[in-house]
Amino acid sequence: EVQLVESGGGLVQPGGSLRLSCAASGFTFSSYWMNWVRQAPGKGLEWVATIKADGSETLYVDSVKGRFTISRDNAKNSLFLQMNSLRAEDTSVYYCTGGAGWLIEYWGQGTLVTVSS
Amino acid sequence: ENVLTQSPGTLSLSPGERATLSCRASQSVAKDYLSWYQHKPGQAPRLLIHGASSRATGVPDRFSGSGSGTDFTLSITRLEPEDSAVYFCLQYAVDPLTFGGGTKVEIK
Repeated sequence: EVQLVESGGGLVQPGGSLRLSCAASGFTFSSYWMNWVRQAPGKGLEWVATIKADGSETLYVDSVKGRFTISRDNAKNSLFLQMNSLRAEDTSVYYCTGGAGWLIEYWGQGTLVTVSS
Repeated sequence: ENVLTQSPGTLSLSPGERATLSCRASQSVAKDYLSWYQHKPGQAPRLLIHGASSRATGVPDRFSGSGSGTDFTLSITRLEPEDSAVYFCLQYAVDPLTFGGGTKVEIK
């Protein structure tokens, strides 16, 4: 059974940092592109970042470029999102997702990040 | 970016009826790289359809996808109480990936 389990969410002040983690199991993690997708309260889903299977390339939505860093550890079947200079508009449920290429096949249940003073 | 618009926002139907959900793109979706997902509260979203019309593994044949270019449809026949969920579409043809706003299906 495929599982993606996110952790690391919580309450952080504006300008602060947070690191999200995602533990993957049940599929060949090292062969899959992985992403972070978020959903702000009452809003639609938004793609945040992607890292290719071997970690050779990363892509970001414009609003997080220079502030967020996606990374992975294929030896530990883990995905990460380092979030710096957080803003109120980054408040969202963050989902770890993965697939063979751009198609998203698997999703986690999400972790809530709240940016507020 | 390719904006996806889903309609209707909410669909309220009885068990056994058919649901028809629409996803319209602002630009043509190359190679019909359009997928559909089911999302129930407290659960991870589940892939139903990819490539506009291919069912994912284990998805019942009551779920079917159709369409091409800018207009796509998800059909659910013989609705069951367990089909109550939010359904959303995703285009994965171009960066950035974009999602539809979702259709909530309620079973009376």
